[in-house]
Amino acid sequence: QKEVEQDPGPLSVPEGAIVSLNCTYSNSAFQYFMWYRQYSRKGPELLMYTYSSGNKEDGRFTAQVDKSSKYISLFIRDSQPSDSATYLCAMSAGNAGKSTFGDGTTLTVKP
Amino acid sequence: DTAVSQTPKYLVTQMGNDKSIKCEQNLGHDTMYWYKQDSKKFLKIMFSYNNKELIINETVPNRFSPKSPDKAHLNLHINSLELGDSAVYFCASSRGLLEQYFGPGTRLTVT
Repeated sequence: QKEVEQDPGPLSVPEGAIVSLNCTYSNSAFQYFMWYRQYSRKGPELLMYTYSSGNKEDGRFTAQVDKSSKYISLFIRDSQPSDSATYLCAMSAGNAGKSTFGDGTTLTVKP
Repeated sequence: DTAVSQTPKYLVTQMGNDKSIKCEQNLGHDTMYWYKQDSKKFLKIMFSYNNKELIINETVPNRFSPKSPDKAHLNLHINSLELGDSAVYFCASSRGLLEQYFGPGTRLTVT
């Protein structure tokens, strides 16, 4: 069993929709939770990171962590065609920068 | 003003050859990484260096040898290339443990 499981997708939504991207994990040592966005043929870029449980908002993006359920989510409000990309969750126990990534969910936002 | 750069961008070579990929970061970060992303988008860490010292060495065949001549550079040399080595290789750097900045990737195809 993988340490990090991510909803596989692909996901296709109309412009303006609210998008929910989700990951579950099995390693209780994970304390830091990240979301990366990767456009086609580009490197991943860090969108947000959170520490421990709770919500964090940045513009149209909200990251949510529920450590008791070992479940994290990224919500995108008012989705735009420019949000079309693969979204990768990543988690770390804080040891030497090692992050474990999910497999990614490919999102397409249609105009 | 590319933060993390990699060369070459594309590499096509035959089985059994030896090749190198170079990475440079101009962000002043102390830690650098090599990741492998397979065709299914799964991103897996291979190596991490902090101040030229190897700190993460995942289960990677010893045909792969990283070298860090200084804090700003981390190269990856691959001996006796195999078909299964075909993937996109990403270099990344970070100041702390979490905010990793990725390069554009090197797409390696072994024929």
